Amino acid sequence: SQQGEEDPQALSIQEGENATMNCSYKTSINNLQWYRQNSGRGLVHLILIRSNEREKHSGRLRVTLDTSKKSSSLLITASRAADTASYFCATYQYGNNRLAFGKGNQVVVIP
Amino acid sequence: NAGVTQTPKFRVLKTGQSMTLLCAQDMNHEYMYWYRQDPGMGLRLIHYSVGEGTTAKGEVPDGYNVSRLKKQNFLLGLESAAPSQTSVYFCASSYSWDYRATAAYEQYFGPGTRLTVT
Repeated sequence: SQQGEEDPQALSIQEGENATMNCSYKTSINNLQWYRQNSGRGLVHLILIRSNEREKHSGRLRVTLDTSKKSSSLLITASRAADTASYFCATYQYGNNRLAFGKGNQVVVIP
Repeated sequence: NAGVTQTPKFRVLKTGQSMTLLCAQDMNHEYMYWYRQDPGMGLRLIHYSVGEGTTAKGEVPDGYNVSRLKKQNFLLGLESAAPSQTSVYFCASSYSWDYRATAAYEQYFGPGTRLTVT
């Protein structure tokens, strides 16, 4: 079954604003990851948060994880035009040798 | 390091034709994956491999076969292409699923192969 459902699906913001996107999942997980995909390119790993972590930072990225609500959020602060991309969350379940990806969020940052 | 490479980048097939997509990685990763990406569907796992000589079915394996004869290569075959297989195909690899190593879970993706079946 599909794990990882991002919300909202599309976001358009001005450069310098913050962008927030959410992801929910259905079963217990070992970790949750966020990936970025620029148009016509492969996915690039951004950040991983383990099930026993609640918040993680990497540069302008902030990820939160609420295992009780089975949800995660990705915040991009001070967005730049180069942040224009699709963002996917992916979950790794215990005992499963694979990631389950959500459908993705498209973010457009207007210069 | 080249990372993960895929050949070809583009291909057009006629219904019923066959082809093989090649994925190569130079990071000595144990695990390799084939995904397809369709509009509004996200990425769906076709097949994966946890090591040389092993393969396993993913979420949407029908109509595809794979082989992992060498650790660095993972081949995806379409024996009789159908229009429903029109998609962008991505290969990915990861080090391992060692629960002690955070980096083990990160997947590295190739640039993709855009396949059209007419």
